[in-house]
Amino acid sequence: GQQLNQSPQSMFIQEGEDVSMNCTSSSIFNTWLWYKQEPGEGPVLLIALYKAGELTSNGRLTAQFGITRKDSFLNISASIPSDVGIYFCAGDDSNYQLIWGAGTKLIIKP
Amino acid sequence: DTEVTQTPKHLVMGMTNKKSLKCEQHMGHRAMYWYKQKAKKPPELMFVYSYEKLSINESVPSRFSPECPNSSLLNLHLHALQPEDSALYLCASSQVTGLANAGELFFGEGSRLTVL
Repeated sequence: GQQLNQSPQSMFIQEGEDVSMNCTSSSIFNTWLWYKQEPGEGPVLLIALYKAGELTSNGRLTAQFGITRKDSFLNISASIPSDVGIYFCAGDDSNYQLIWGAGTKLIIKP
Repeated sequence: DTEVTQTPKHLVMGMTNKKSLKCEQHMGHRAMYWYKQKAKKPPELMFVYSYEKLSINESVPSRFSPECPNSSLLNLHLHALQPEDSALYLCASSQVTGLANAGELFFGEGSRLTVL
């Protein structure tokens, strides 16, 4: 079956640093989505991408749909404490089934 | 505040109990989902309802029984569960499946289930 490789698994950063995480797929996706999940909550959609090459921002977050349609990245600029959580990428395949990455846990060092 | 409401937030049950998880949304979405999430793992799809009809069952054991009474409600009936079924159960909704924006899911906060 299709797989998504999400990296890194976890990130320990200082407040104010920029963050970058990415996902790669073994096959083409029609849609890339980035979700964030905080403890005790369900995932929340951050950004949805629908076209190859598309670059979309949501505040300090920027995500891109790779030209090959097999990858996507998410950047967070000037991290703040409330950015902590687990970030999941997800892709919609040709059958509109969501495939999820394993998640990137973001931890901000005090 | 989430627009998908799940109850209860926490549930502890024995292996012989029968219980239900409930989910409600009022966004006019016609697709609703049950996901299971283990600690430190991504959500795993269990069931999808589209226009109140079950469209996807990801080979879930029959001890989990979904029900969609109307377009706003989704239930998950639980019976004879095993300890390994302990997990966070997430409900989500979206525009109808099969469209490009169907991946834009709105999740509830989840029901934390512990099976003793």
